[in-house]
Amino acid sequence: DTEVTQTPKHLVMGMTNKKSLKCEQHMGHRAMYWYKQKAKKPPELMFVYSYEKLSINESVPSRFSPECPNSSLLNLHLHALQPEDSALYLCASSQDEADLTDTQYFGPGTRLTVL
Amino acid sequence: GNSVTQMEGPVTLSEEAFLTINCTYTATGYPSLFWYVQYPGEGLQLLLKATKADDKGSNKGFEATYRKETTSFHLEKGSVQVSDSAVYFCALTFYGNNRLAFGKGNQVVVIP
Repeated sequence: DTEVTQTPKHLVMGMTNKKSLKCEQHMGHRAMYWYKQKAKKPPELMFVYSYEKLSINESVPSRFSPECPNSSLLNLHLHALQPEDSALYLCASSQDEADLTDTQYFGPGTRLTVL
Repeated sequence: GNSVTQMEGPVTLSEEAFLTINCTYTATGYPSLFWYVQYPGEGLQLLLKATKADDKGSNKGFEATYRKETTSFHLEKGSVQVSDSAVYFCALTFYGNNRLAFGKGNQVVVIP
């Protein structure tokens, strides 16, 4: 099973709202990722958690706040977003083991619209 | 730096035609190579991968061979179906590096 689940599937929020995106995997993977994807573009890496610790932050604005409560869950907390933050947000996971090729498996994404 | 180049523009072809999507890479060392597919309104799905030179990845009738001498990983399918209409991304990563470098993607449209 290579399934990564994400909720909600769609989210519409105002610029003053606070919302959260959720991601879950049960593959025993120890690395989890957040990506942002605009229409007709490849995904852009935002954050990486490795063994529940933030290992990469690609200079993402502080209105995006990631959280990894445990090895299976990844959240992205949203606050005071701008309309240009509207995009598809993808979660991914990988094994992150030293002796394996690290294949990333993606979830279906959350389509976010900021009004 | 590491990068992936995919041919420009969408690809439109008729059902049962032969599909080729070119992918070349620039990297120091020997990366692992991937093809991901994104169907309309969905996330990315891993289509196939290859981890060393001359490896051939295959899945759902698609194939790609890791060519070190030409730094390429072209995607092919012998007879496409309407259901293959999607965006295809070539990508690379290195052992111990959590970053995936993506190509720009190619929109494939298969006409009945």
